[in-house]
Amino acid sequence: GAVVSQHPSRVICKSGTSVKIECRSLDFQATTMFWYRQFPKQSLMLMATSNEGSKATYEQGVEKDKFLINHASLTLSTLTVTSAHPEDSSFYICSARSLGYEQYFGPGTRLTVT
Amino acid sequence: ILNVEQSPQSLHVQEGDSTNFTCSFPSSNFYALHWYRWETAKSPEALFVMTLNGDEKKKGRISATLNTKEGYSYLYIKGSQPEDSATYLCAFNSRTDKLIFGTGTRLQVFP
Repeated sequence: GAVVSQHPSRVICKSGTSVKIECRSLDFQATTMFWYRQFPKQSLMLMATSNEGSKATYEQGVEKDKFLINHASLTLSTLTVTSAHPEDSSFYICSARSLGYEQYFGPGTRLTVT
Repeated sequence: ILNVEQSPQSLHVQEGDSTNFTCSFPSSNFYALHWYRWETAKSPEALFVMTLNGDEKKKGRISATLNTKEGYSYLYIKGSQPEDSATYLCAFNSRTDKLIFGTGTRLQVFP
């Protein structure tokens, strides 16, 4: 149980375009979903927290107009990187939580912006 | 700034060796400490969630201890096997929703 999928696993896009990443909880309802980013040799850094049906809460330094998060249902959250630039190239990973402490992670998305 | 440190950064051991890693975290505003096992191209897998000072948890050959007063946790692997090769992450949970991760310990077990 507690499986989270993420799609796509890899994406290459051109500078200036937008990319959408999907995160789904497959066998449980996720009241809260989290989006993280990891740059090479660094730790996973929380970008934003989203609760179903409400606006996401962004961490300091994360531009909400650039990283659009939608958590429209209890099983799906999406992250859209708008007007992507090469510096947005990174590994993006989501996690989902129902009740309690545990966060269950997706396998991540490697984004390369050329 | 809350900081979580893990050591060593990487470790190479022979099959059958026992090994341990350290996670250091802030000792104030402690809520929980998480350990994850992360294999390449897969999702991080939750190993333990630890909440009480002195907690010891075990899952097969893997165990973990927690000292919240001094701000550290140890993860032990007894009789390492090649399938234990992965990155082991710890994450500190303060009294907010947020998980603060260390950079991980990359373990490679050679047959």
